[in-house]
Amino acid sequence: NAGVTQTPKFRILKIGQSMTLQCTQDMNHNYMYWYRQDPGMGLKLIYYSVGAGITDKGEVPNGYNVSRSTTEDFPLRLELAAPSQTSVYFCASSYGSGRAGETQYFGPGTRLLVL
Amino acid sequence: QKEVEQNSGPLSVPEGAIASLNCTYSDRGSQSFFWYRQYSGKSPELIMSIYSNGDKEDGRFTAQLNKASQYVSLLIRDSQPSDSATYLCAVNSGGSQGNLIFGKGTKLSVKP
Repeated sequence: NAGVTQTPKFRILKIGQSMTLQCTQDMNHNYMYWYRQDPGMGLKLIYYSVGAGITDKGEVPNGYNVSRSTTEDFPLRLELAAPSQTSVYFCASSYGSGRAGETQYFGPGTRLLVL
Repeated sequence: QKEVEQNSGPLSVPEGAIASLNCTYSDRGSQSFFWYRQYSGKSPELIMSIYSNGDKEDGRFTAQLNKASQYVSLLIRDSQPSDSATYLCAVNSGGSQGNLIFGKGTKLSVKP
């Protein structure tokens, strides 16, 4: 199992550009999450999904959009990139039910720099 | 606003010592608690989960939970330089979504 994979690893965007961060998991997990991590600030939840076709906002959703058309994929879309979106983005997944299902497994992250 | 608080550190301990990391949380309804380790430039990885009051041991790691005091801790015995990392405390927010609320992390440095 590859676990949770993310692409790209690193990207530089100009202000106002758009891009999609890709996330794929091969563990047949129901739940998927997108976080951003700023230096010294911990992980903030952007969006999450409890299954294909179901998504919801987290703590910091502004400036982002998501979709979940399959169990495996959960892309994050940035529209009109702003310097405040410079961060490290982590995708995570979990089985979602039962105590063992609460454990989240993280992808390697995408470093985004908006200039 | 549900919060998870950690001392940001850095916490510096000598090799072989016990490192003690602490975390408090605001939501009394929280039922699940997690410790993740994050090396610099890497993604978080789960070390321990704990659900009941008391201690849970796994190798050199012991998680302690006190729901009455809304306090969870992680002890690392016989600390090694390879334990140097940031340790994130995470608490299940209590919803059915399985959402975790993360603390900002405590940076641990183990000196040889």
